[in-house]
Amino acid sequence: QKEVEQNSGPLSVPEGAIASLNCTYSDRGSQSFFWYRQYSGKSPELIMSIYSNGDKEDGRFTAQLNKASQYVSLLIRDSQPSDSATYLCAVNIGGYQKVTFGIGTKLQVIP
Amino acid sequence: NAGVTQTPKFQVLKTGQSMTLQCAQDMNHNSMYWYRQDPGMGLRLIYYSASEGTTDKGEVPNGYNVSRLNKREFSLRLESAAPSQTSVYFCASSERTGFDEQYFGPGTRLTVT
Repeated sequence: QKEVEQNSGPLSVPEGAIASLNCTYSDRGSQSFFWYRQYSGKSPELIMSIYSNGDKEDGRFTAQLNKASQYVSLLIRDSQPSDSATYLCAVNIGGYQKVTFGIGTKLQVIP
Repeated sequence: NAGVTQTPKFQVLKTGQSMTLQCAQDMNHNSMYWYRQDPGMGLRLIYYSASEGTTDKGEVPNGYNVSRLNKREFSLRLESAAPSQTSVYFCASSERTGFDEQYFGPGTRLTVT
């Protein structure tokens, strides 16, 4: 089992819809969870971090964390074509001084 | 405030040549990282430095060496480049290792022929 798993996609959603991106992780001791966006040919940029169970909202983005089920998700409301990118989930694998990245989910927002 | 900077942006090497990738951050972060990104493989950690004066291996350290020159700078050296090292290399920094958000540089696209 991979430490951090994401469906590589592509995930296609129509403009204005909610995009739901999911990520599962292997280690129950993980404490820090991050979502990054990466446009083609560019470097990853941080969208948000989440450390506690529940939801965290920032503008059109909501991160959801469920430690019991070992998944973290990212919801993008009112999706725009400019949201088309690859979304990387990153998790601090418990006890280790490093963050492990998933392979990313490619999101396509169709106008 | 430039964040994380990397040089060069592009590089082509012949097999066996050596080169050093440079990285600097101006956010006063303690931790710095080097990743490589390959299609279908995601970001893989090569080396990291939790603080000035310390370095540790990541997931794929073979063929690479690093130097944490000071708190700002972290370099990655390829002593004898191989075609398998063709990749995009990213440097990143964070306040603390493993717990805090990482901020990435623009990347270096390296081709080894």
